[in-house]
Amino acid sequence: QQQVKQSPQSLIVQKGGISIINCAYENTAFDYFPWYQQFPGKGPALLIAIRPDVSEKKEGRFTISFNKSAKQFSLHIMDSQPGDSATYFCAASKRVYKLSFGAGTTVTVRA
Amino acid sequence: DVKVTQSSRYLVKRTGEKVFLECVQDMDHENMFWYRQDPGLGLRLIYFSYDVKMKEKGDIPEGYSVSREKKERFSLILESASTNQTSMYLCASSSGGGASTDTQYFGPGTRLTVL
Repeated sequence: QQQVKQSPQSLIVQKGGISIINCAYENTAFDYFPWYQQFPGKGPALLIAIRPDVSEKKEGRFTISFNKSAKQFSLHIMDSQPGDSATYFCAASKRVYKLSFGAGTTVTVRA
Repeated sequence: DVKVTQSSRYLVKRTGEKVFLECVQDMDHENMFWYRQDPGLGLRLIYFSYDVKMKEKGDIPEGYSVSREKKERFSLILESASTNQTSMYLCASSSGGGASTDTQYFGPGTRLTVL
């Protein structure tokens, strides 16, 4: 069974809007939560990541919000652009070898 | 820039064939990984290797084996391909060192179809 549950499966947002993707986990031993971005025909690439000792991390238009007590974390894409259209995967790790990935969210940004 | 290359972008094989998927990384990374990616299931770890000739099973190793004879090269082997192994296969590498924050770098993937 998937250790990290991700929703929604897909979303469509207008250019300039906010995209929000949510993930939930059960294993409290996870200590690293990365997000990967995948464009069609390419492998996933690290986008942004957070450790559970902080509640938010921002890099440009991308923000991770982390709620340790609820065991949830989310990715917010502000001012969404057509170039952000991609599949996004959340993941969690408790040791370097074992990244557990969510099912993925396909984001489409309409111009 | 880290580069992870996979030998084929597309592959079509017959049921029962032995299939080799090759992956090469150019950054002297300790760790290498094989995942399969299926719609609605995300990425699932098949095998990983933390050193030459060292390997460990991931979450879905059944029907697969791996080989790592050189540090830069990691092969995934399907001993007898079956239709349920039709999937996108992704190779990744990371530098190692034991930190959970070690970034994994992915290749472009091999789309395998088993007929």
